[in-house]
Amino acid sequence: SQKIEQNSEALNIQEGKTATLTCNYTNYSPAYLQWYRQDPGRGPVFLLLIRENEKEKRKERLKVTFDTTLKQSLFHITASQPADSATYLCALWGATGGGNKLTFGTGTQLKVEL
Amino acid sequence: NAGVTQTPKFQVLKTGQSMTLQCAQDMNHEYMSWYRQDPGMGLRLIHYSVGAGITDQGEVPNGYNVSRSTTEDFPLRLLSAAPSQTSVYFCASNPLQENTEAFFGQGTRLTVV
Repeated sequence: SQKIEQNSEALNIQEGKTATLTCNYTNYSPAYLQWYRQDPGRGPVFLLLIRENEKEKRKERLKVTFDTTLKQSLFHITASQPADSATYLCALWGATGGGNKLTFGTGTQLKVEL
Repeated sequence: NAGVTQTPKFQVLKTGQSMTLQCAQDMNHEYMSWYRQDPGMGLRLIHYSVGAGITDQGEVPNGYNVSRSTTEDFPLRLLSAAPSQTSVYFCASNPLQENTEAFFGQGTRLTVV
């Protein structure tokens, strides 16, 4: 069966450091992988999308890598700030059964401390 | 531009009651979906729709019904609420291509007692 796995343990880092979050998947052959941010009590908000032929994508302090051989994406936040504290989810489109579905990982909670 | 609007924001039901969670989007998106989010379980897909008149089941469809009579609206019906349906429900919409972002509503926190 298709699975998307993220580290369920919270990641605590100090302000100014780089946070790295991992997303691993099995039984997918995705053309695209997405990352979202979710704050408590709110719906997820889209951050970045990376294509299978893109090794790396950047947006301001965010960097995403996509390794289709390892079936893994890494999400980096450089010069992290307390405002970056949130849960980060990766998501993939998968064709299972009768149609395409957008499936999310369980998310990793990031806490940036002063 | 309102995006995706969910109502109500909070709801308490008694076991056995039925109710409908409303979801509307004003972006003319073909694809709409419902997720539930529980601690430690992430977002789990309940039902989804690729256009008016077309719906399909997701990962956890039991106890829920949906319909899609218009592009804009995608209501989720709980037929006979159970405590196991206590959760936060999110509606999302996006264009029907893999390279597009999903837009989420603010969520409905449902408690079944």
